[in-house]
Amino acid sequence: GAVVSQHPSRVICKSGTSVKIECRSLDFQATTMFWYRQFPKQSLMLMATSNEGSKATYEQGVEKDKFLINHASLTLSTLTVTSAHPEDSSFYICSAYRYGYTFGSGTRLTVV
Amino acid sequence: GENVEQHPSTLSVQEGDSAVIKCTYSDSASNYFPWYKQELGKRPQLIIDIRSNVGEKKDQRIAVTLNKTAKHFSLHITETQPEDSAVYFCAASNSAGTGTASKLTFGTGTRLQVTL
Repeated sequence: GAVVSQHPSRVICKSGTSVKIECRSLDFQATTMFWYRQFPKQSLMLMATSNEGSKATYEQGVEKDKFLINHASLTLSTLTVTSAHPEDSSFYICSAYRYGYTFGSGTRLTVV
Repeated sequence: GENVEQHPSTLSVQEGDSAVIKCTYSDSASNYFPWYKQELGKRPQLIIDIRSNVGEKKDQRIAVTLNKTAKHFSLHITETQPEDSAVYFCAASNSAGTGTASKLTFGTGTRLQVTL
């Protein structure tokens, strides 16, 4: 079946630094990648949608200059959290689409 | 945009009993309705889905019903077991089986606790 590999699974960074999260579709080409954020005991909230080779579309209220998304190929998308602050601490998860949605394993980001 | 409401937020049932979780959606263009089970710190796991051309779908102990007119769909779990304890999310999109992706809009989640 379709597999999406997401790394790292956990990361702790200092306030003000940047963190990059990678999602790779291992056995299929993803036409679209969705990035979600999930705070404790809450639902998955869509941050942005990216298509290969084009700029990401961000949801209302999501700062595009803070959450940089690159979808350079049909198998790789990255989310970079720039100048991270404690309030950015959350569970970030990607979802690759090709005739269905396949989720990555998620990244637990803690900003200290 | 799409808005998905989910109830109840928490549900406690005894082992062997049935559990029902309900969702409503707002966008009549939505045509794909998956249900996910999520354990703490893990990715959402697709447990069943239904497309708008079908009213009901069943997979062993799990079933989903869809009422397009009323814009609501429900998850039914029969003969619940302790391992069914998790958070369940409904979702909606209009990407049913097409090559074009539309975002999944998630419900707020239901924490199901199956007690012995």
